[in-house]
Amino acid sequence: ETGVTQSPTHLIKTRGQQVTLRCSSQSGHNTVSWYQQALGQGPQFIFQYYREEENGRGNFPPRFSGLQFPNYSSELNVNALELDDSALYLCASSFETGSNYGYTFGSGTRLTVV
Amino acid sequence: DAKTTQPNSMESNEEEPVHLPCNHSTISGTDYIHWYRQLPSQGPEYVIHGLTSNVNNRMASLAIAEDRKSSTLILHRATLRDAAVYYCILKTGANNLFFGTGTRLTVIP
Repeated sequence: ETGVTQSPTHLIKTRGQQVTLRCSSQSGHNTVSWYQQALGQGPQFIFQYYREEENGRGNFPPRFSGLQFPNYSSELNVNALELDDSALYLCASSFETGSNYGYTFGSGTRLTVV
Repeated sequence: DAKTTQPNSMESNEEEPVHLPCNHSTISGTDYIHWYRQLPSQGPEYVIHGLTSNVNNRMASLAIAEDRKSSTLILHRATLRDAAVYYCILKTGANNLFFGTGTRLTVIP
């Protein structure tokens, strides 16, 4: 089975621009979560999608938005980029949303905002 | 979200067992205890999870205290590849994983 794949691996954007990050979930997984990890910190939860619906959101502004597609792949969109948005963005998928399921993480997209 | 407390860092000699502690005194009856680790320049990796009973898998063992207020992740023989940040996380229902700062494990050759 394939794991979680994210693209691109690295990205440089200018402040004020918009960015779209992509994630293919592990085969058979219907739940996708996105995390932001600043340097030296643990990952911070952005939001989760379950069967194409948003199913929980962390403390991130509305300019962070997402989508989940019928094949359960997902996108993270960030508008009006700020310098503080520079981070590693991680996607994780799981079989279901319950607490008895582990998450499979991708290797992340490193976003640099200049 | 229920919080966990872990030491900031630990060291272990290669090929020796490692016991990584986690305190979670405010755990509720429905919280599962999850452990993940993050190697340098990689995304987190699932290690193990449990509810009440001790759990074993090919990567590690999870020992859960009888009152569930603490748990210990056990790596039976540390290798250099086990050097990582280890996160102990409580997960309830459909809630997501909320990461703390974890324990940075250094393995000494």
